[in-house]
Amino acid sequence: DAKTTQPTSMDCAEGRAANLPCNHSTISGNEYVYWYRQIHSQGPQYIIHGLKNNETNEMASLIITEDRKSSTLILPHATLRDTAVYYCIATYAGNMLTFGGGTRLMVKP
Amino acid sequence: DSGVTQTPKHLITATGQRVTLRCSPRSGDLSVYWYQQSLDQGLQFLIQYYNGEERAKGNILERFSAQQFPDLHSELNLSSLELGDSALYFCASSVEQRGKNEQFFGPGTRLTVL
Repeated sequence: DAKTTQPTSMDCAEGRAANLPCNHSTISGNEYVYWYRQIHSQGPQYIIHGLKNNETNEMASLIITEDRKSSTLILPHATLRDTAVYYCIATYAGNMLTFGGGTRLMVKP
Repeated sequence: DSGVTQTPKHLITATGQRVTLRCSPRSGDLSVYWYQQSLDQGLQFLIQYYNGEERAKGNILERFSAQQFPDLHSELNLSSLELGDSALYFCASSVEQRGKNEQFFGPGTRLTVL
């Protein structure tokens, strides 16, 4: 799996967009970028994933740079319930997930 | 609710004992993964089963073993327990179809070894 680098922590105001960056400069052509989050000690929750194109679902948008060396997860209107640790993982489809330290996002009123 | 169930939610036991954690994957998912989350190690992959067969192994101790049954539920067996085995154990499942390989996690089993 390609190594990913994320900021340790970020703050966001409630109602504003949260933009979480991730670097994966050694990603290979067939590796996907997956985003998961973990709220307190709950099971990690799948958010979104992509290969080359930008992706959007009901939870978030994923922007992948053209060279695929970095990506940004966008939560368009962050709420207090979005406070969590967000993990960016680059891996092949069907592989186990290698979790790093993630980004601790704190959404503030 | 991810559709993945794990039992029990909490387990308290003593060193040297053996426990079994159970996981029921989402309906239709053939792949089951086990992960361990401890305070000092973070989330770590243990083992993966696909349709009853072991597919991948991670940092799983020899004292630990797992299996996936014909009905696709899985069990993780932990034996000769040590204090350091205290952790959250998560199970995840995946359908593994083209374009659909995301993993869905259960609520976890919190194991405390005293």
